[in-house]
Amino acid sequence: AQSVTQLGSHVSVSEGALVLLRCNYSSSVPPYLFWYVQYPNQGLQLLLKYTTGATLVKGINGFEAEFKKSETSFHLTKPSAHMSDAAEYFCAVSESGGYQKVTFGTGTKLQVIP
Amino acid sequence: EAGVAQSPRYKIIEKRQSVAFWCNPISGHATLYWYQQILGQGPKLLIQFQNNGVVDDSQLPKDRFSAERLKGVDSTLKIQPAKLEDSAVYLCASSGLSAGELFFGEGSRLTVL
Repeated sequence: AQSVTQLGSHVSVSEGALVLLRCNYSSSVPPYLFWYVQYPNQGLQLLLKYTTGATLVKGINGFEAEFKKSETSFHLTKPSAHMSDAAEYFCAVSESGGYQKVTFGTGTKLQVIP
Repeated sequence: EAGVAQSPRYKIIEKRQSVAFWCNPISGHATLYWYQQILGQGPKLLIQFQNNGVVDDSQLPKDRFSAERLKGVDSTLKIQPAKLEDSAVYLCASSGLSAGELFFGEGSRLTVL
């Protein structure tokens, strides 16, 4: 069975500060890992994904995440927060192969303080 | 390219009534998902279709929820009878060949009174 755990349901950062959203995963086979973003009253949008290859992946809007197998982590970072980054972020896992079942974490709401 | 279309966007019903949600995925996407997102929680998979066959419905409350995907294209999710705890946003998503990359609709927000 696959699962993800997101540490911290709410994170507040000042505009211009580092953004760090934490995600740990559990998977019985090599995982595919994702970060999705959800703006109010909208569906989820893919931010970035890791499948195979380079463990540091870059996404849209300056976000990036690093797959660390030894730590079973896939934390999301952005060097400098912008007001427009305020949203809810979801980490997700899918097991390679099979029917592409995607399991989401409980989400982290990011607040950016001016 | 048109995105995932869902309707209605909002629905208010009383408990024990029925409701249906419709989803039209991105053209050519073989996999279609229905997720339930309760306020403050992450999306929970209700049912996953591969073409018009069900590959996972382990978390679908089958005594009240049903879903179908006729002809492997659009899909309908029905709740009958609704309970208060069914108040949530119902998200439809589809995916093509890129594993795990889901494209979501804007969701259908259900309020059960």
